[in-house]
Amino acid sequence: EVRLVQSGAEVKKPGESLKISCKGSGYNFTNYWIGWVRQMPGKGLEWMGIIYPGNSNTRYSPSFQGQVTISADKSITTAYLQWRSLKASDTAMYYCARQSADFYYDPWGHGTLVTVSS
Amino acid sequence: QSALTQPASVSGSPGQSIIISCSGTSSDAGIYNLVSWYQQHPGKAPKVMIYEGIRRPSGVSDRFSASKSGNTASLTISGLQAEDEADYYCFSHVGSYWVFGGGTKLTVL
Repeated sequence: EVRLVQSGAEVKKPGESLKISCKGSGYNFTNYWIGWVRQMPGKGLEWMGIIYPGNSNTRYSPSFQGQVTISADKSITTAYLQWRSLKASDTAMYYCARQSADFYYDPWGHGTLVTVSS
Repeated sequence: QSALTQPASVSGSPGQSIIISCSGTSSDAGIYNLVSWYQQHPGKAPKVMIYEGIRRPSGVSDRFSASKSGNTASLTISGLQAEDEADYYCFSHVGSYWVFGGGTKLTVL
C-alpha cells in the first residue's frame, strides 16, 4: 500500500523555526514528485511547491518562494517542509501528496496542523 | 485570486445532477488536459476524483464525470447523494506552476 505519513501537530511561537515531515512507503520514493499544500483555517487549498526526491529538484509557487524550504532525504524516504521564522499567518493545515505519472496527487498525507501563536 | 476560477457554491437535491466549472484565462489547451479534481470533506484530506481532464481513478463512482471545452473544465456529479456534500477543487499546471482553483462548496439540499 502506498502511504504518506506526516508528523504530528505543532504549536509554535512567532519567530520560531519548524520542520515538518512526510514519510513515504510502499513505492519507490525517489521516482515520484512530492508536493506540499497549505490550507488556512476555513480556506481553500494552495499549492506551495514540489520536490523530486531522486535528485532534490525543487520548484516553489511564487507565493511561497523564500518563505519556506522544501527538502527530502531519500535514504529515509522522507520529505520536509521547513520555516526559519514562523508568523501567525503560517497557522494552517499542511498536506503532502505524491504526484502520479499522470500529474494528479494521490495519496495524500493526513495533514500536519501548525499553530503559531504568542 | 487563483488563475483557475470556480463558483463559490453550488447546490442540488438528491438524485439531481450538478456541474462545477473551472475557468482559466489562458487559451493553452494543455492546462485543461492536465486538470484534476479533488473532493474534500470537512476535516479530511482531499481525494482525487478526476485526472487528465476526464479520467476517473479506479474506485471513484461513475456518477463523477468531467469534460473540457475551450478554457473551461467541468466536473459533473449525477444522481446526487448526501455523501457528495463537500468542497471540490480543480487543479492544473498554469505557466510554470501548479495551481488550485478557489474551491466550490457543494450543498446537497
